Amino acid sequence: QKEVEQDPGPLSVPEGAIVSLNCTYSNSAFQYFMWYRQYSRKGPELLMYTYSSGNKEDGRFTAQVDKSSKYISLFIRDSQPSDSATYLCAMRSYKLSFGAGTTVTVRA
Amino acid sequence: DSGVTQTPKHLITATGQRVTLRCSPRSGDLSVYWYQQSLDQGLQFLIQYYNGEERAKGNILERFSAQQFPDLHSELNLSSLELGDSALYFCASSDRRGSSRANVLTFGAGSRLTVL
Repeated sequence: QKEVEQDPGPLSVPEGAIVSLNCTYSNSAFQYFMWYRQYSRKGPELLMYTYSSGNKEDGRFTAQVDKSSKYISLFIRDSQPSDSATYLCAMRSYKLSFGAGTTVTVRA
Repeated sequence: DSGVTQTPKHLITATGQRVTLRCSPRSGDLSVYWYQQSLDQGLQFLIQYYNGEERAKGNILERFSAQQFPDLHSELNLSSLELGDSALYFCASSDRRGSSRANVLTFGAGSRLTVL
């Protein structure tokens, strides 16, 4: 079993829809949780970073962490074609572990 | 531009050959990480250095080696290359231990290796 499980998708939504992305994990030692966005053939870039259970908002993005269920989510409101990318969850104890990434396409 | 510089951007070589990938971390960052990303494996952690010393090791093959130099740049050496080594190799850097951003990695644009 992988430490971090993420549905690879792909996920296709119309412009303006809410995108919902999820990851589950098995390692209780994970303390820091991140979401990265990766455009095709580019390096991943950090979107959200949190270390506690609950919600964190940044513009159209909301990250949610539920440590009791070992479950994290990323919501993208009012999605735009420019949000089309692969989204990777990542979490850290002594090392950073990534999910497989979910490929999202936002249709204009 | 993330501030993490990787060279070369693209590399095509033959099986059995050896290549060196280079990474300059973001100014002020002491940690350097190497990741491999292939289509079927996702982003795989290879190795981490902190201020010149090896800090953590992931799924790095014995044919691969890395080092971090006193000026903090790092090199990943891949030898006896196989077709399956074709992948994107990313370098990332992070702030010093104890800082609020020590857990956040900044990635370079990657080096795309094709082994024929």
